[in-house]
Amino acid sequence: GAVVSQHPSRVICKSGTSVKIECRSLDFQATTMFWYRQFPKKSLMLMATSNEGSKATYEQGVEKDKFLINHASLTLSTLTVTSAHPEDSSFYICSAVTGGTGYTFGSGTRLTVV
Amino acid sequence: GNSVTQMEGPVTLSEEAFLTINCTYTATGYPSLFWYVQYPGEGLQLLLKATKADDKGSNKGFEATYRKETTSFHLEKGSVQVSDSAVYFCALLTEYGNKLVFGAGTILRVKS
Repeated sequence: GAVVSQHPSRVICKSGTSVKIECRSLDFQATTMFWYRQFPKKSLMLMATSNEGSKATYEQGVEKDKFLINHASLTLSTLTVTSAHPEDSSFYICSAVTGGTGYTFGSGTRLTVV
Repeated sequence: GNSVTQMEGPVTLSEEAFLTINCTYTATGYPSLFWYVQYPGEGLQLLLKATKADDKGSNKGFEATYRKETTSFHLEKGSVQVSDSAVYFCALLTEYGNKLVFGAGTILRVKS
């Protein structure tokens, strides 16, 4: 079946630095990917929709200059958290549309900003 | 707007007990409905889905029936196992959209 690989699974960074998270579709082409943020004991909050070859569409309230999304190829989307602060610590998950009503999720990235 | 409401957890059961996690939705048209499961420290996995009214999704002993008259998609399992301990998310996809709308998630804890 369709597999989405997300890397890294865990990252710890210092406050003020930037962190890049990658999301790759391994055996299919993903023209659309989604990025979510999950707070402890909370549901998934959709941050943005990433479309290959065009600018991402951000949900209301999400700072696009802070959460940079690049979808340069049909198999790779990246989320860069710029100038990270402790409040950006969270679990980030990507997903890709696999056709019809199919969505495949990455395994998530636990970001801790110290 | 579109929304999904799930029963609050955590739900704590003994092994082999019967499980029900309630899910109701609000949406225009005819959405597709999903249950996803998230094990600790992992992403989400599709558990089952139903794309039209009266459809029953099933997988790994879990079942859910798309009830349009009650706008519900309750998750059931006849006999839970410790390995079923996870967070369960109900979600919908609107007829003409491409964004999943998730419920808040329900933590299930199964004790041996």
